[in-house]
Amino acid sequence: DAKTTQPTSMDCAEGRAANLPCNHSTISGNEYVYWYRQIHSQGPQYIIHGLKNNETNEMASLIITEDRKSSTLILPHATLRDTAVYYCIVRVRYGTASKLTFGTGTRLQVTL
Amino acid sequence: EAGVAQSPRYKIIEKRQSVAFWCNPISGHATLYWYQQILGQGPKLLIQFQNNGVVDDSQLPKDRFSAERLKGVDSTLKIQPAKLEDSAVYLCASSLGVSLGYNEQFFGPGTRLTVL
Repeated sequence: DAKTTQPTSMDCAEGRAANLPCNHSTISGNEYVYWYRQIHSQGPQYIIHGLKNNETNEMASLIITEDRKSSTLILPHATLRDTAVYYCIVRVRYGTASKLTFGTGTRLQVTL
Repeated sequence: EAGVAQSPRYKIIEKRQSVAFWCNPISGHATLYWYQQILGQGPKLLIQFQNNGVVDDSQLPKDRFSAERLKGVDSTLKIQPAKLEDSAVYLCASSLGVSLGYNEQFFGPGTRLTVL
């Protein structure tokens, strides 16, 4: 499985953009990058995913480098409710199935 | 839309006892997953069902863990007998199915198991 590397923790001031980096240098051409987050005592929540192009939805933006070896999740205006563990995952397909392998993620602390 | 339901939310048992967890996925979701999340770690996939068939159970400790998904809807995960190292949060997730380029999983709140 393609491995991902994320910083253990990050801080961000409320109202500022939070930029969470992820390295996935062994990603294959048809593997997608997924981002989930997990707020304390809750199950993980899907944020966004992408293959090659940059993606944006109501929650965040995903910037993938041209060589696809790294990506950045951007929360444009972080709030206290965005404090969570953020997981960057490379989705692996095998046959008709696929699997998400979670690492330890980045703990984002949003402060006043 | 109703989310993924799990019960119980908390369970405390002694080692060597048995325990079962229940999951009701989102209506219409063909794929169901059970994850184990040990404190401080990310979720680890234990088993994946597509309808009522097992797609991947490579990380399920089959000597003590079992899971079933009768009729392709609800699922139960059982541990028998439990060990101290089974203390964790057990998460159930579901997704519509596998289609090219999309696999959003919806997670339930989890069951926190403490083995004494």
